[in-house]
Amino acid sequence: EIVLTQSPGTLSLSPGERATLSCRASQSVSSMYLAWYQQKPGQAPRLLIYGTSTRATGTPDRFSGSGSGTDFTLTISRLEPEDFAVYYCQQYGGSPLFTFGPGTKVDIK
Amino acid sequence: QITLKESGPTLVKPTQTLTLTCSFSGFSLTTNGVAVSWIRQSPGKALEWLALIYWDADKRYSPSLKSRLTITRDTSKNQVVLTMVNMDPEDTGTYFCARSRGASVGLYFHFYGMDVWGQGTTVTVS
Repeated sequence: EIVLTQSPGTLSLSPGERATLSCRASQSVSSMYLAWYQQKPGQAPRLLIYGTSTRATGTPDRFSGSGSGTDFTLTISRLEPEDFAVYYCQQYGGSPLFTFGPGTKVDIK
Repeated sequence: QITLKESGPTLVKPTQTLTLTCSFSGFSLTTNGVAVSWIRQSPGKALEWLALIYWDADKRYSPSLKSRLTITRDTSKNQVVLTMVNMDPEDTGTYFCARSRGASVGLYFHFYGMDVWGQGTTVTVS
């Protein structure tokens, strides 16, 4: 089973600051199969990035993804007020077919 | 416009069977590369993938829940149905359906993410 671990659990930052979120896999994940989602309270998750680094339609360019193998990163270059949310990484293709990380909450400092 | 919407009971008793329906529009589940998944989220917890049905009717299940789940589709009604038997209070949470897309490029299948989600439906087991 592929387990995803995200760090930190909570990231307290101010608007305008840079956020760096980490996702580590227990086994190597193809870069084609790593995605990131944003979820706000009471809402469904929203796809931000797929294929490690490709922004989904509508994702602002302040969001970027990188990584390979077992270590992946989501970077938000300058936090906007609407970016304070929980972020999940997701892998596809392992066993189980999909797994999600436990999430990183980005909150306002 | 692509939409998905979950429906089903809000309250079920322990040991009962839960049946949830995902009604979608704006895409076809027979289009190559398209799939619909069910994902749940317990209160205050992370997302847990449950099951998926592909455009070619192939199905996949979470190994930990496989014995309790059945996913089916009705392409004429644009619906995907998830059945979960022997419900337990631990199954309480919000259940989402989501579309994903992918494409075969050469030898590889590219996954383009779960790009459209339903609003979710809350199920309480008590």
